[in-house]
Amino acid sequence: SQTIHQWPATLVQPVGSPLSLECTVEGTSNPNLYWYRQAAGRGLQLLFYSVGIGQISSEVPQNLSASRPQDRQFILSSKKLLLSDSGFYLCAWSSGTFGYTFGSGTRLTVV
Amino acid sequence: GQQLNQSPQSMFIQEGEDVSMNCTSSSIFNTWLWYKQDPGEGPVLLIALYKAGELTSNGRLTAQFGITRKDSFLNISASIPSDVGIYFCAGKNYGGSQGNLIFGKGTKLSVKP
Repeated sequence: SQTIHQWPATLVQPVGSPLSLECTVEGTSNPNLYWYRQAAGRGLQLLFYSVGIGQISSEVPQNLSASRPQDRQFILSSKKLLLSDSGFYLCAWSSGTFGYTFGSGTRLTVV
Repeated sequence: GQQLNQSPQSMFIQEGEDVSMNCTSSSIFNTWLWYKQDPGEGPVLLIALYKAGELTSNGRLTAQFGITRKDSFLNISASIPSDVGIYFCAGKNYGGSQGNLIFGKGTKLSVKP
């Protein structure tokens, strides 16, 4: 069966520091991969999606970037975090046919 | 772009009450999905609907794919405290960007024991 792993679960980082969040999927190949951000108790904002290795689409211009170095690995990065980057980050995958399966999320607090 | 209007934004109910929430769209969707997000967790798929008019149940949850393909509702019967969370509707149009889902802004449900 397919599983999605996202880490770390929580992260406290100072302003100006770099960021790297990782997401991996097991049990499937060539998944569509997604990064979402969620402000406290609010809706889901799509940040990036990828349909293949090295293929990244950005939905919202911001201080973040994404990379897909391997088929089942999706990384969210920043060179210098801002206070406004705080939030709950969710990775998700889909086969392109059915719904998304989400990871358990990373709570990022920028201080 | 496509948008989903999900209502209500939040609900405060007593345990045992029934709950109803809905999503509407200005565009036609081929698939409607309902997710629940527990606090501090990722959303989990509750019900998927693939045909206009389809009515599907999952325990105390019932969802329908509107006949116009522009709306869907989710009902929860006899609510219990563990129903607390944020419920998201999502629609997919296979003509859309890479088959991506469009999410509603969520309905936050609070249940008073």
